Amino acid sequence: DTAVSQTPKYLVTQMGNDKSIKCEQNLGHDTMYWYKQDSKKFLKIMFSYNNKELIINETVPNRFSPKSPDKAHLNLHINSLELGDSAVYFCASSPGTSYNEQFFGPGTRLTVL
Amino acid sequence: AQSVSQHNHHVILSEAASLELGCNYSYGGTVNLFWYVQYPGQHLQLLLKYFSGDPLVKGIKGFEAEFIKSKFSFNLRKPSVQWSDTAEYFCAVIFAGGTSYGKLTFGQGTILTVHP
Repeated sequence: DTAVSQTPKYLVTQMGNDKSIKCEQNLGHDTMYWYKQDSKKFLKIMFSYNNKELIINETVPNRFSPKSPDKAHLNLHINSLELGDSAVYFCASSPGTSYNEQFFGPGTRLTVL
Repeated sequence: AQSVSQHNHHVILSEAASLELGCNYSYGGTVNLFWYVQYPGQHLQLLLKYFSGDPLVKGIKGFEAEFIKSKFSFNLRKPSVQWSDTAEYFCAVIFAGGTSYGKLTFGQGTILTVHP
């Protein structure tokens, strides 16, 4: 029933490790997004894919690499984790790229020690 | 650069008080406007949206917002808040045109605390 799901919900790891967060949507949407919410609750877009093609790539360290195996999935892989990567990462989806409402997942709280 | 600002970081009200949360954006072109709410420990949920037409839009849970183009504003209102409205509220804007691709730009968020 869940429209946009993310796994895991919580992720605690050491600096320097590599980790992945998975996102799946069952809404039949074409476009998916990753947002980062920092400790001050500020939300900022990181990436967006439309039909498996990268269309938004904000100024994000290249340690972050999104991958979209199909249009229902958008994963986020992070290499060499740093303390500053600690945040809540939200996945979202929308029907298309033209100004639609976005549906958000429950978020993944990443803590880097 | 296009930006969104919310005037209040933290608003504290008693139940039954009226609420108005401010949101302004900087962009002279076409915009799509949203208010999202994040209840403690939960994900973002859409309260209401404006794309075109009547600038006064009604959302879920008794919330409404008014788009005033001349003031670049989209303020959120509720006539009488309840304790269950305690949450963080985010204004978000899609700046149409160019390479926006539907990218949402968020304000800083406003924490609303409602005392019983």
